[in-house]
Amino acid sequence: QKEVEQDPGPLSVPEGAIVSLNCTYSNSAFQYFMWYRQYSRKGPELLMYTYSSGNKEDGRFTAQVDKSSKYISLFIRDSQPSDSATYLCAMKVEDYKLSFGAGTTVTVRA
Amino acid sequence: SAVISQKPSRDICQRGTSLTIQCQVDSQVTMMFWYRQQPGQSLTLIATANQGSEATYESGFVIDKFPISRPNLTFSTLTVSNMSPEDSSIYLCSVDIGADTQYFGPGTRLTVL
Repeated sequence: QKEVEQDPGPLSVPEGAIVSLNCTYSNSAFQYFMWYRQYSRKGPELLMYTYSSGNKEDGRFTAQVDKSSKYISLFIRDSQPSDSATYLCAMKVEDYKLSFGAGTTVTVRA
Repeated sequence: SAVISQKPSRDICQRGTSLTIQCQVDSQVTMMFWYRQQPGQSLTLIATANQGSEATYESGFVIDKFPISRPNLTFSTLTVSNMSPEDSSIYLCSVDIGADTQYFGPGTRLTVL
């Protein structure tokens, strides 16, 4: 079993829809949770990060962490074609080593 | 945040040769990381590089194949040695800013023929 599980998709939605992405994990010691966006042929770009459980909102993006269920989510509201990318969840304990999910490829259709 | 640059952005190399990838950060950082992303795959950590000490390699990666230098707090290099087609990947460096965030460079796309 992988330490971090993420459905690779692909996920295709119409413009304006809500995109829902999620990851599950097995290591209860994880404390820091991140979402990265990676466009084709580019490096990962940090989108959101949260510490421990709770919600965090930044514009059209909302990150949720449920440590009791070992489950994290990213929601993208009013999705745009420019949101088409691969989204990677990542998490770590305090030792700086990130564990990544497989990445979900999202296409927003105009 | 941090601005990270990598050189070269891409290269095509012959089997058996070596390539050195450079990573430059716009601020001083303690820890730098090197990742590999094979086609269609997620990121795999190769090693962690602290300034002034030997790099720490993850399982499956060895210093003879991926030697790393970290001469100061803003710069690191990763060498891919004796390359084979299986080394064709994107190589990424990253840095920790605080305890909670990690930023990535744009990557070096390597093709080995």
